[in-house]
Amino acid sequence: SQQGEEDPQALSIQEGENATMNCSYKTSINNLQWYRQNSGRGLVHLILIRSNEREKHSGRLRVTLDTSKKSSSLLITASRAADTASYFCATALIQGAQKLVFGQGTRLTINP
Amino acid sequence: DGGITQSPKYLFRKEGQNVTLSCEQNLNHDAMYWYRQDPGQGLRLIYYSQIVNDFQKGDIAEGYSVSREKKESFPLTVTSAQKNPTAFYLCASRVGWVGSNQPQHFGDGTRLSIL
Repeated sequence: SQQGEEDPQALSIQEGENATMNCSYKTSINNLQWYRQNSGRGLVHLILIRSNEREKHSGRLRVTLDTSKKSSSLLITASRAADTASYFCATALIQGAQKLVFGQGTRLTINP
Repeated sequence: DGGITQSPKYLFRKEGQNVTLSCEQNLNHDAMYWYRQDPGQGLRLIYYSQIVNDFQKGDIAEGYSVSREKKESFPLTVTSAQKNPTAFYLCASRVGWVGSNQPQHFGDGTRLSIL
């Protein structure tokens, strides 16, 4: 199965609510990264969290990493319609850190 | 502005034809990557290059070929051996050295379809 598996596959919430997406992985990592993809576009990097970090913030984004559980979560607070997109986690493995292994993504829909 | 340019945005392939997708970056990045994305799926690595004149196969290299003659350019050829080429192709680049904690930067993709 995939190195990175995301949950849920799809999420629909009302504008102003918080959105939480989860990512699990199997093999020890060098870092974990979150990306956003708007429909028909390329990926945009959001946050990179290193294996020795537990939490990082960027604006309305909060990422946590639990290496003992091999899992990460992305929290988007006070969601906006413009946050509607697919969100992907990607892991840089310790062996082969120059490559990323992507999960299948969470499709987030923010309803006005 | 620095970035990655992929062209064309849309491409159609005839049976038995090879097609080449262009990827150019002006970020002075050493590493470049090609991914394939199928509808509703994540990205799968086709080929990557860490330095000029060197490249490695990714997870799904069969039916594809690449070259890296210049630092800023990493074209992907989809050959006639690739029997199911319809997909969205994404090019990315990253500041070089192995193990560095740096993100990848992506182009806006090329959508390839079969005629």
